[in-house]
Amino acid sequence: SYELTQSPSVSVALGQTATITCGGDRIGAGTVHWYQQKPGQAPSLLIYRDRYRPSGTPARFSGSTSGNTATLTLTGAQAADEADYFCQVWDNSVGFGGGTKLTVL
Amino acid sequence: QVRLQESGPGLVKPSDTLSLTCTVSGFSISDGYYWGWIRQPPGRGLEWIGSMFHSGDTYYNPSLKSRLTMSVDTSKNQVSMRLTSVTAADTAMYYCGRASTGWYHAFDVWGHGTEVTVSS
Repeated sequence: SYELTQSPSVSVALGQTATITCGGDRIGAGTVHWYQQKPGQAPSLLIYRDRYRPSGTPARFSGSTSGNTATLTLTGAQAADEADYFCQVWDNSVGFGGGTKLTVL
Repeated sequence: QVRLQESGPGLVKPSDTLSLTCTVSGFSISDGYYWGWIRQPPGRGLEWIGSMFHSGDTYYNPSLKSRLTMSVDTSKNQVSMRLTSVTAADTAMYYCGRASTGWYHAFDVWGHGTEVTVSS
């Protein structure tokens, strides 16, 4: 498998917008997924195929891809959104990003 | 509701074999998804171990392939993994997950995980 590049940490003020990026040459159209992991919990699927939200994902989360970079955007951050976020791709093998710790100030 | 429950020994000695089982409820493992294992060392990120279809189609992490075997028991609705010659580097929380074939292998359901420590 292979790794994707994520910034280790991102901070955002309450109510503001946060962006988390994921870089890698295996990023292609419709292949990036995002997971949220809160302390002591298993990861949960947040965004699949770049931009689709499973039922249960709040609309304040959105995803996009451009070139070799995928972006997770959180519009109107809430305290409950403080968590680790991981990106993932599939290319006959699964690769995960190293994770980004989001802090809501 | 689909539920995945991992089970395993908790503590494994170095050089021994780690065996874990994922029991699936609320869904038949024969119904068209891949079933995977993912691990997370303490304080670190996620590492994919491998994924398997009920028919036997299998994908393994190349870095673990020489030590890894996955299997499916459709009669028990279980997925299992065996990792041989474990070392302290294999200490981690181990999760099983359901991966969609149509969603580019997104893991849409996860178990709670089982903690494994490799120590003598």
